[in-house]
Amino acid sequence: EAGVTQSPTHLIKTRGQQATLRCSPISGHTSVYWYQQALGLGLQFLLWYDEGEERNRGNFPPRFSGRQFPNYSSELNVNALELEDSALYLCASSIGQGGSQETQYFGPGTRLLVL
Amino acid sequence: GQQLNQSPQSMFIQEGEDVSMNCTSSSIFNTWLWYKQDPGEGPVLLIALYKAGELTSNGRLTAQFGITRKDSFLNISASIPSDVGIYFCAGHQGFQKLVFGTGTRLLVSP
Repeated sequence: EAGVTQSPTHLIKTRGQQATLRCSPISGHTSVYWYQQALGLGLQFLLWYDEGEERNRGNFPPRFSGRQFPNYSSELNVNALELEDSALYLCASSIGQGGSQETQYFGPGTRLLVL
Repeated sequence: GQQLNQSPQSMFIQEGEDVSMNCTSSSIFNTWLWYKQDPGEGPVLLIALYKAGELTSNGRLTAQFGITRKDSFLNISASIPSDVGIYFCAGHQGFQKLVFGTGTRLLVSP
């Protein structure tokens, strides 16, 4: 069974540009989560999507946004990039049965570098 | 953002030694999860704990969910070189939102 996949693996942008990151969940999973992991730090929760809707959001500015498609894949968009947005962006998925504490399985991440 | 307090920050041990790391919070958590992250990879789930007092093993790994629901520990017995990596604890806070610990970096000398 394929795990969570993410693309691209690496992305280099300059300040002010926009970045789009993509995630495909494990087959059968409907919930997708996004996390930011800055260098040397733990993971910070960004967004949670389920059944195409944003369900929860972490403490990040509105220029971090995303969406979930009918096939449950997801995009994370970061507008007006800043240097401190450089990080590993991790996507996770869970089965989405409606429980409040479902186990999340992570993809390999997209490393974003803002110059 | 909030993070769980995890200790130690790093450990350098010899192959064959046992390892213990723990995670504490000022808030109550309903689940505790332990993940391992290799360089350049996403975290991989090691053990999930769902009940206070629960003690769960996965091979050489053992983890416990503290009775107060504010802490958890992970033990690794008879460490091997492939145990090298960063170990994160995590807990659910609110609906589906995972809060992560600051990580414990483990180095194992052969």
